[in-house]
Formats: sequence, structure tokens, C-alpha cells
Amino acid sequence: GQNIDQPTEMTATEGAIVQINCTYQTSGFNGLFWYQQHAGEAPTFLSYNVLDGLEEKGRFSSFLSRSKGYSYLLLKELQMKDSASYLCAVIGSNYQLIWGAGTKLIIKP
Amino acid sequence: IAGITQAPTSQILAAGRRMTLRCTQDMRHNAMYWYRQDLGLGLRLIHYSNTAGTTGKGEVPDGYSVSRANTDDFPLTLASAVPSQTSVYFCASSSGDDTGELFFGEGSRLTVL
Repeated sequence: GQNIDQPTEMTATEGAIVQINCTYQTSGFNGLFWYQQHAGEAPTFLSYNVLDGLEEKGRFSSFLSRSKGYSYLLLKELQMKDSASYLCAVIGSNYQLIWGAGTKLIIKP
Repeated sequence: IAGITQAPTSQILAAGRRMTLRCTQDMRHNAMYWYRQDLGLGLRLIHYSNTAGTTGKGEVPDGYSVSRANTDDFPLTLASAVPSQTSVYFCASSSGDDTGELFFGEGSRLTVL
């Protein structure tokens, strides 16, 4: 079967750094997305990785290792507004998205 | 403002009733999707459409139907609602490129009693 695993919940401190991991087992791989979703709102795009390595975009970076079926989202200089759920999604062999259940990130002052 | 509009934003519905969730986008995207989101589960694809005039079944299509008469509109119909269809429903679109990001509507919260 196809599976995406993320931690259910993480807690971090304002100003700190947090890494949210995502591991996947899919029948094919055509890219990986990270989305942010604030409570009661729609998911919004954060990043896309298709090649191995680190993609940096401001305070957020996303890493991919295709051989390990692994990605992480790194958030630096955490702000209270970063409290949200972070969704990992993989484009599988049929080009449909497979979604993880999301990681709820709680930021404490 | 360009984007995706869903309606209604929230609805309480008696079991057995018919309900249509509306979705309209003005980005001229080819591909559109309906997802449901339930606590503890990832987004699950109900139906999709790669282009106007075509639709396909996703992971959880039973009890739902869609149509795609034109590029902009992609309504989702529950023919006879059941309590297990209580969920938050998101419509999304993408340019249709294999790597295209999804743009989501604000969601429709449906409660079936």
C-alpha cells in the first residue's frame, strides 16, 4: 500500500528552529509538496521538491532524499503565526496526490 | 481577486437529503478536485476533473457525484446524505501541469444529522 507518515503534533518555542519529518512509501514518485494549514482555513502551498537536496525559501526550507523516502520541512526563527498544521503530500505514479495526515505545530512564547 | 470560491461555507443537513456544494474558479485552471478532510486523516480525494467535460473517481467516490460542464465550475453532489459524510470539503484547482501546485477554496463544513 501507499503510506505517508508524519508526527501528529510537535511543540516548539518562539524564535527557535523546528524540523518536521515526513516519510513515504509510494508505488511511484513524481514530487513532494509541503502545505501549511491554519485552523479552520484552506491549505496553502509552501514548497515543492522533486530532486534530492535542500530548497530554501526565506525562513522555510524543505529537504528531500528519494532513496530514503524522506523529506523534512525546516522552520527557522519561529513566530507565533507559524502555529498551524503542516501537510506532506507525494505525487504518486498515477500523478495523483497522496496526503499525510498532517503535523500540528504548536508554538509557545 | 482571482481564486476559488466555494459555497456554502457551512451547512447542516438532514440525512437522506440531496446537497450540492458549489465550486467556481477564475484562474482558467484545467484540473479541479474535491477533497474531504476528517480529523486524524489526510485529505482524501473524492472526484477530480483533468479538463472540462471529463471527470474521474478518487479514493472515496461512493455517495458523491460531480460534473464539469465548463472550465470554471465543478459542483459536488451528495444524492442522499448520510452521517458519515459529515466532513469539511475542499475544492482545489491546478494548472494541470504534473508538478502544478494546488489552490484551495476556503472549504465547506457539512454536518449530516
